[in-house]
Amino acid sequence: DVKVTQSSRYLVKRTGEKVFLECVQDMDHENMFWYRQDPGLGLRLIYFSYDVKMKEKGDIPEGYSVSREKKERFSLILESASTNQTSMYLCASRSVSYEQYFGPGTRLTVT
Amino acid sequence: RKEVEQDPGPFNVPEGATVAFNCTYSNSASQSFFWYRQDCRKEPKLLMSVYSSGNEDGRFTAQLNRASQYISLLIRDSKLSDSATYLCVVNSLEGYSTLTFGKGTMLLVSP
Repeated sequence: DVKVTQSSRYLVKRTGEKVFLECVQDMDHENMFWYRQDPGLGLRLIYFSYDVKMKEKGDIPEGYSVSREKKERFSLILESASTNQTSMYLCASRSVSYEQYFGPGTRLTVT
Repeated sequence: RKEVEQDPGPFNVPEGATVAFNCTYSNSASQSFFWYRQDCRKEPKLLMSVYSSGNEDGRFTAQLNRASQYISLLIRDSKLSDSATYLCVVNSLEGYSTLTFGKGTMLLVSP
């Protein structure tokens, strides 16, 4: 079974803090993704990566950056957290047949 | 803009009922199609891929109509445990082939 893990299930940070969300997958997938999910807005793609050290902006990259130094690990960084970044953050990795597998999510609250 | 549209529901059905959801997509270049299931406050999980000829997995049947650009999911003999939000997902081979998620249809199965 594909396993995607995320570093924290719940996180509370203060406005202005730098926040790191880590994601690890164990299936040697090349493609990894970061989404946020908010009520009424569905899943929105923040950033994705097709290979180590490669990154591409998704639909809502503003206020975020990413890092992919190793194939199995994809990190999302909030440079200066703001209250409008309070959300559920979901990492995913994808197989060559386009089947995408999600981690359990990190529920981030910025106060 | 690529879009996937779903009726948000909720669909309220009794146990044992048959229920069907439809989903329409706007990008005619879409090539891969999926249904995901998401339980409350959990991550989306792949339910089934949707193939051109239609496919079945136990009580679940998925159909694709390319001409009309819609996908359907039929659930027979509904169980209480089927209560969840069902996300319709399409993939385009244009650009970086990211997945586009619908906002989901909520199903509530009652005793």
